[in-house]
Amino acid sequence: QVQLVQSGAEVKKPGASVKVSCKAAGFTFSNYYMHWVRQAPGQGLEWMGMIYPSGGSTTYAQKFQGRVTMTRDTSTGTVYMELTSLRSEDTAVYYCAREGRNGGFEYWGQGTLVTVSS
Amino acid sequence: SYELTQPPSVSVSPGQTARITCSGDALPKKYAYWYQQKSGQAPVLVIYEDTKRPSGIPERFSGSSSGPMATLTISGAQVEDEGDYYCYSTDSSGNHKVFGGGTKLTVL
Repeated sequence: QVQLVQSGAEVKKPGASVKVSCKAAGFTFSNYYMHWVRQAPGQGLEWMGMIYPSGGSTTYAQKFQGRVTMTRDTSTGTVYMELTSLRSEDTAVYYCAREGRNGGFEYWGQGTLVTVSS
Repeated sequence: SYELTQPPSVSVSPGQTARITCSGDALPKKYAYWYQQKSGQAPVLVIYEDTKRPSGIPERFSGSSSGPMATLTISGAQVEDEGDYYCYSTDSSGNHKVFGGGTKLTVL
């Protein structure tokens, strides 16, 4: 069955970077867009960007341009999201999600809490 | 940047019909998707391509779209339907995705 397993919680200081991983299983990794969505405490969902594993093309939300990089390792079926220059407002749960043929996010990772605190 | 607008909250009694709206300039040309999120859990897709229901989603969930507004309807809402609901779509270019601000549904 389809599984998206994310890396564990992180605590970072302001100005640092964080790299979150999302390992896919149960489907042909290269054939599906993978997205990253975050949710700050008590706030709504925020789309960050997407990557197409076959070829590695990316599209980022304007808000994160210049601070976010999404990559993939096709040999392990893993996508990564790196966010730099962290600030307290980046404290959030970060989710990876697989886009299905219908355009919706049918499968989600369990979420990774990133806490930015001095 | 493109935005989708939802009401912050909707409240109904059990068995009543709940309607959650989502407005956006590109919705006449782009599909809307709806997600349900319960506390502490990842979101779940309940409606895709404006009106379609994924397998396993109860029939009481339905979607519609007209002009710049999409609507999620829960007919005969149940207490277990409480949670946050988010619409999702893309801008007119299709490249940039966005979630609405979310609507908290209370059923009591």
